[in-house]
Amino acid sequence: DAMVIQNPRYQVTQFGKPVTLSCSQTLNHNVMYWYQQKSSQAPKLLFHYYDKDFNNEADTPDNFQSRRPNTSFCFLDIRSPGLGDAAMYLCATSSNFGQLTDTQYFGPGTRLTVL
Amino acid sequence: KQEVTQIPAALSVPEGENLVLNCSFTDSAIYNLQWFRQDPGKGLTSLLLIQSSQREQTSGRLNASLDKSSGRSTLYIAASQPGDSATYLCAVFHDYKLSFGAGTTVTVRA
Repeated sequence: DAMVIQNPRYQVTQFGKPVTLSCSQTLNHNVMYWYQQKSSQAPKLLFHYYDKDFNNEADTPDNFQSRRPNTSFCFLDIRSPGLGDAAMYLCATSSNFGQLTDTQYFGPGTRLTVL
Repeated sequence: KQEVTQIPAALSVPEGENLVLNCSFTDSAIYNLQWFRQDPGKGLTSLLLIQSSQREQTSGRLNASLDKSSGRSTLYIAASQPGDSATYLCAVFHDYKLSFGAGTTVTVRA
């Protein structure tokens, strides 16, 4: 009964080779998030979707793009991965966006290695 | 910009000892504060959520307090067990997004 699913769990890519990470959810939540977490650091929000409305964080590099074709799925595209993009990528969802009870549900993450 | 700090970065205690984890944040205009647990190489599991109007929340052996005016939260874990070994992150919901601390990595020695 997994609620937020991320595929693959581990991804190895070469420097500069485009890669796509996938997130799906069974919660029917209207908000989906992508975070980047480097080793021993705090997760950093890259962007989020409120329904189909895309919200990019100001400091998210242009190298990172996202797509949300429907409520259940969201993709993170890294157009030209650099060594500094090696990290854990976390997907999360929520249904009470902006409310006092807003809580986010996280997937298990995708560990990206860049060679 | 909201800054969230967790001190210490790591903590090691013998089994049975109570754990006290600290979190501070710079902007008190928050909607809520959450504590998460992260096991090595895994995602985040929400432990407790404290709304901005609340002072504390409890779940089993876990108790979290919130002092919004001073920008502090504390997570207490009673009678620690080896299974409590993990990284604990706090996050504040502010300006329509979560801002996280870097976490406190806890090791409970059997």
